[in-house]
Amino acid sequence: EADIYQTPRYLVIGTGKKITLECSQTMGHDKMYWYQQDPGMELHLIHYSYGVNSTEKGDLSSESTVSRIRTEHFPLTLESARPSHTSQYLCASQSDAIDTQYFGPGTRLTVL
Amino acid sequence: DAKTTQPTSMDCAEGRAANLPCNHSTISGNEYVYWYRQIHSQGPQYIIHGLKNNETNEMASLIITEDRKSSTLILPHATLRDTAVYYCIVRAPFETSGSRLTFGEGTQLTVNP
Repeated sequence: EADIYQTPRYLVIGTGKKITLECSQTMGHDKMYWYQQDPGMELHLIHYSYGVNSTEKGDLSSESTVSRIRTEHFPLTLESARPSHTSQYLCASQSDAIDTQYFGPGTRLTVL
Repeated sequence: DAKTTQPTSMDCAEGRAANLPCNHSTISGNEYVYWYRQIHSQGPQYIIHGLKNNETNEMASLIITEDRKSSTLILPHATLRDTAVYYCIVRAPFETSGSRLTFGEGTQLTVNP
């Protein structure tokens, strides 16, 4: 079982606020990912990182940004939240041993 | 990565085996078959994966046909907690695919009492 954590689990904020969604893993995985998922819909990759100081945009365009200063930490930031950012954000890290991804519990964001 | 086709929904009685099919007729020789599931409002959970041999772990069994064009995930004794959306994903190893996981619509499995 993987140890990957996301905080907060739920967040309700007003338009225009800056927010940071936290993701941490204790397994020393180099590869980490952020996905966005609307209720009942598919997951879409929005950012990924293959190691410290490495970040890339994913398949789905996103106004969020990410950073990877430490191996275990991969935060996602929205500079100015809008109602269109309302969604669930899922963080994952990858085990090279068996080449698969482990997901955190997710952050459900609501922007009013 | 190869496209997969899964039924939209399935039902299973509690205690019985749940057999979830997946078609991947365009799978390439180096592509693995992965299964994940997502229980409502939670993050996806890895279940099992395989290349061409059948695989079994504490959660499930994976049966891959000899031509590798389809596979079946088997939950041997389904419980109510197995109710979830099950995703079948075909993906090449990280070295060639960059580890992109493309989740389709999956199969909604409902385990009934």
